[in-house]
Amino acid sequence: GDSVTQMEGPVTLSEEAFLTINCTYTATGYPSLFWYVQYPGEGLQLLLKATKADDKGSNKGFEATYRKETTSFHLEKGSVQVSDSAVYFCALMNSGAGSYQLTFGKGTKLSVIP
Amino acid sequence: GAVVSQHPSRVICKSGTSVKIECRSLDFQATTMFWYRQFPKQSLMLMATSNEGSKATYEQGVEKDKFLINHASLTLSTLTVTSAHPEDSSFYICSARVPGNSRQPQHFGDGTRLSIL
Repeated sequence: GDSVTQMEGPVTLSEEAFLTINCTYTATGYPSLFWYVQYPGEGLQLLLKATKADDKGSNKGFEATYRKETTSFHLEKGSVQVSDSAVYFCALMNSGAGSYQLTFGKGTKLSVIP
Repeated sequence: GAVVSQHPSRVICKSGTSVKIECRSLDFQATTMFWYRQFPKQSLMLMATSNEGSKATYEQGVEKDKFLINHASLTLSTLTVTSAHPEDSSFYICSARVPGNSRQPQHFGDGTRLSIL
């Protein structure tokens, strides 16, 4: 079945540091890929997405590129802020199955310190 | 944009109590809703898929009689944790699929923190 593997956390960075959170996937067909963010005590919010190979999703300074050859969708940000502290989830949706279910990675907790 | 409201946000109750959590789509009709349970260290587990007017589809290992799901209308799905025990304490999150929205497959509620004493 489909699966998502993302780097274990927690990740602690100083403000303005460069962020990379690795994400790789296993899926049949051509899934769509997503990054969700969860702030403390809240539900999940869509951060960015990509629907086909070589697409780049971007939002709020975060970027991720759909790499089919390496089955990866790594999240990057050039300069993190304290307000970016949250848990980040990589996910895929294989709508070919018709279910629209999301398969999530285990999440990576990011803490940004001033 | 599409909004999903989840209620209550937090509940604390005694062991043996049944607890109902509501998930509402406020400005769209959701034929499909999903229920997740989030464990410590943030792992998110899909519990079941709720389809309006039909029985929910439960994931393997989830007790149907323990976690009752009802999706009686196009804007409301409920999760009832029956005879809750301390091990049921967790963060429960619902989401709803917006039909025809290819940009965002699911919109999430803000979650319910359930604590069983």
